[in-house]
This record gives sequence, structure tokens and C-alpha cells, in this order.
Amino acid sequence: DTAVSQTPKYLVTQMGNDKSIKCEQNLGHDTMYWYKQDSKKFLKIMFSYNNKELIINETVPNRFSPKSPDKAHLNLHINSLELGDSAVYFCASSQDLGGLYNEQFFGPGTRLTVL
Amino acid sequence: AQRVTQPEKLLSVFKGAPVELKCNYSYSGSPELFWYVQYSRQRLQLLLRHISRESIKGFTADLNKGETSFHLKKPFAQEEDSAMYYCAVFTGRRALTFGSGTRLQVQP
Repeated sequence: DTAVSQTPKYLVTQMGNDKSIKCEQNLGHDTMYWYKQDSKKFLKIMFSYNNKELIINETVPNRFSPKSPDKAHLNLHINSLELGDSAVYFCASSQDLGGLYNEQFFGPGTRLTVL
Repeated sequence: AQRVTQPEKLLSVFKGAPVELKCNYSYSGSPELFWYVQYSRQRLQLLLRHISRESIKGFTADLNKGETSFHLKKPFAQEEDSAMYYCAVFTGRRALTFGSGTRLQVQP
């Protein structure tokens, strides 16, 4: 099945812990993204990578660190988790750097709950 | 800064009624606008993009640069249209800026 996959689907953890979310795409895309969806359903870009190179790094605490071992993977590591980090995190990928026909393909999301 | 505004959090209509989901944007360049949809228990997916001027599942959206709007319309809503709809603008920095989303509820 060609798609964008994320693991885990649900993640419940205590404040102060460190956790990682993994993302893989087998679509052959060059660009991958992490978005955060808060409790009010706002979707906001966090990072984007193109061919393993960081392109966008929005105003995100440096406790969040993306890692791209190859262009098919973009993992998100979060240190010292806080209550406000609770959200749904979406990974996405696209074929090129953007353009009129750009389409982003989204993963199913990872619901992170920090207690 | 780019901004996308969807003023309605929830839009509830009866089956067969016309639907209009509002979207306004602010963007300094030539905008590239999209509508994404998330059906229940499914992932977010592209519905349509303004450049294609296409009709998908009966939905259309016209870019109005004068009013900076990209409203999504369908003449006759179906129950299967019930979903969360997001308007988005491609920022040219290789990411999408999304609106806050509108939940469309089509009642039988």
C-alpha cells in the first residue's frame, strides 16, 4: 500500500518524558512535513524537509527536533514533554518543492496526550 | 503574514440544500489555494485546487482576488459530504497555511 504512515497512532506519556514519532512515505516524494493540530483543530506547519535538508522551521520550541535519516523518513523527537504539547501531529509528503499542482499527502496522525 | 480565515466552525444543512463554506485569505503574492477534506476516521486529503478549476464530488471553488475569497460550494448537499473542511494557501515556502476548518454536517 503506497501511503504516508506514522507510528504510533496514540501516545500517552507523562510530563518531562522524551518521546519520538516516526513517519515514513513510500511515494517517492522529495519533501516531508510535520504539522500540529491543536484542540481547536488548527493545523499549523512545524517543519519541512526536502531531500533530508531542513527547509522550514517555524517557531517551535527547540525541545522539538526533526530527524530525517533518508528522504523517505522524517521522525519527530520531543524532549521534556509539556502539557501544552498534547495535540495530534500529522506527517505529510509531497512530490516537489511546491507549485501550482502541489498536493500534500497526509499520514493518519499521532494523538499525543501528555499527563 | 499569510492567513486563512474560515469564519464558521460548524455548518449544518439538510440533504439537498445548497452549501457554501467560506474562506478568506491574506497573502501578498499570487495565492495558490486548496480545499482539503477529512472524513470521519480518514486522513486529510486534497479535495480541489483553484488552479485546476475542477469540480470534485460536485464541489467547486472560485478564487475571487478582489474579495480575497475562495469559497467552496455545492448546489445539493449529500449526507456523505459530512466532514471537516480546511481551506489552505500554499505559501511558497513549501508548506500550507491552513484555516481553522469548518465542520459540515448534512442532516437527512
